[in-house]
Amino acid sequence: NAGVTQTPKFQVLKTGQSMTLQCAQDMNHNSMYWYRQDPGMGLRLIYYSASEGTTDKGEVPNGYNVSRLNKREFSLRLESAAPSQTSVYFCASSEAPGSVSTDTQYFGPGTRLTVL
Amino acid sequence: AQTVTQSQPEMSVQEAETVTLSCTYDTSESDYYLFWYKQPPSRQMILVIRQEAYKQQNATENRFSVNFQKAAKSFSLKISDSQLGDAAMYFCAYRSLDYNNNDMRFGAGTRLTVKP
Repeated sequence: NAGVTQTPKFQVLKTGQSMTLQCAQDMNHNSMYWYRQDPGMGLRLIYYSASEGTTDKGEVPNGYNVSRLNKREFSLRLESAAPSQTSVYFCASSEAPGSVSTDTQYFGPGTRLTVL
Repeated sequence: AQTVTQSQPEMSVQEAETVTLSCTYDTSESDYYLFWYKQPPSRQMILVIRQEAYKQQNATENRFSVNFQKAAKSFSLKISDSQLGDAAMYFCAYRSLDYNNNDMRFGAGTRLTVKP
């Protein structure tokens, strides 16, 4: 099992450009998440998908859109990148609510995004 | 919204010694989950240990254990027999069980250095 994979690993954009970050998991998990990590801060939730076909906003959704393409894949799109979106982006997945073990989130390796 | 505070930005420990990382949180909920994640220089977020709030017994995973004080809203991580590979950022996280607010809150992290 590869777990949670993310592409690309690194990306540099100019202000106003768009891009999509891809995330896939092979653990048959129902829930998927997108976080950003800024220097000196913990991770903050951007969007999540509790199950296939549903998406909801997290703590910092402005400037982002998401698509739950199928059970395995959850993409994050920046329509018009801004320097404030320079960050490290993490995708995560969890099996389902119900217990601490099934509700534990497992993370991908992250994407470092720089917006000039 | 719940907040998680890690009051020690940096900690240092001698190899083979024991170190304790602090975490406090603010919540009005009676049941929730708590996690410690490790982030080595590779950036990968790795689950270290997890605890359900309704369980009074402290969780342990090999050299890692927690001291969970529910009334004090404290969730510290103890690392025994520290190894060089334990050097990393450590994040404490709080998971609400209110699935209308599908959110996990992270602290700002503690950077642990292990001295040989």
